[in-house]
Amino acid sequence: GDSVTQMEGPVTLSEEAFLTINCTYTATGYPSLFWYVQYPGEGLQLLLKATKADDKGSNKGFEATYRKETTSFHLEKGSVQVSDSAVYFCALSLNAGGTSYGKLTFGQGTILTVHP
Amino acid sequence: ETGVTQSPTHLIKTRGQQVTLRCSSQSGHNTVSWYQQALGQGPQFIFQYYREEENGRGNFPPRFSGLQFPNYSSELNVNALELDDSALYLCASSLPTGYEQYFGPGTRLTVT
Repeated sequence: GDSVTQMEGPVTLSEEAFLTINCTYTATGYPSLFWYVQYPGEGLQLLLKATKADDKGSNKGFEATYRKETTSFHLEKGSVQVSDSAVYFCALSLNAGGTSYGKLTFGQGTILTVHP
Repeated sequence: ETGVTQSPTHLIKTRGQQVTLRCSSQSGHNTVSWYQQALGQGPQFIFQYYREEENGRGNFPPRFSGLQFPNYSSELNVNALELDDSALYLCASSLPTGYEQYFGPGTRLTVT
C-alpha cells in the first residue's frame, strides 16, 4: 500500500541554522506530495505542495522538490527561526479515477525545535 | 472567507458511550474528509464524503460512521467508544477536483 516515511526526530536547531527533514514515499500511482505543519494545540496547515515530478514547492522560505527517481520530497529551509518550531508532516495523495477522492497518507511527523 | 470549523473543541466520554463530532467546510468546498490523529502520530484517514455520500474509507470499523448535509457540513459518529479512540479528530475540506485539503483545528476526544 501507499506509505510515507519521514526521518526520525526530533530535530533541534539554533536560530539561523539550515534545516533538512527527509521524506520518502511508496505509491502505486503518481501521487501529489505535500508538507503540512502543525503548531502546538492547532490543526494542520498546508505548507507547500508539488503535483508532478521535478516540481518544486515553496512557501515562507521552505522548499521541497518532487524527486521521482529517488521517491523523495525533502523539506529544506536556509535559515530557521524560533517561530518555525512545530511538527512537520509529509503526505501524499492519489486521485482515484478522476473523482474528488484523494485521501492523504501521512508520515509520522517530525518535531522541530528552534532555540534562540 | 470562513475556514473549516469543528465542534466541540474538547470532550470527555466514557468507554461504551457514543459521540458525534461536527465539521463545517470552507466556503465552496463540497468534499469533507475525516482523520484520526493519535498522540505523537500522523493523521490516519477515516473516510471522505462527497455530494452527501461516502466516497472512500480507511481501515476503521463500522462503528465509525458519518454524514454529510446539503450545505456540505459533516458529522462523525463513533459508537461503543473504546479507550484507543482517544485522539484528535481532524476534519478537512477540499474543492471538487482539487488535491489540497484544508484542515480545521480538530476535536480532542478523551475516552475514560
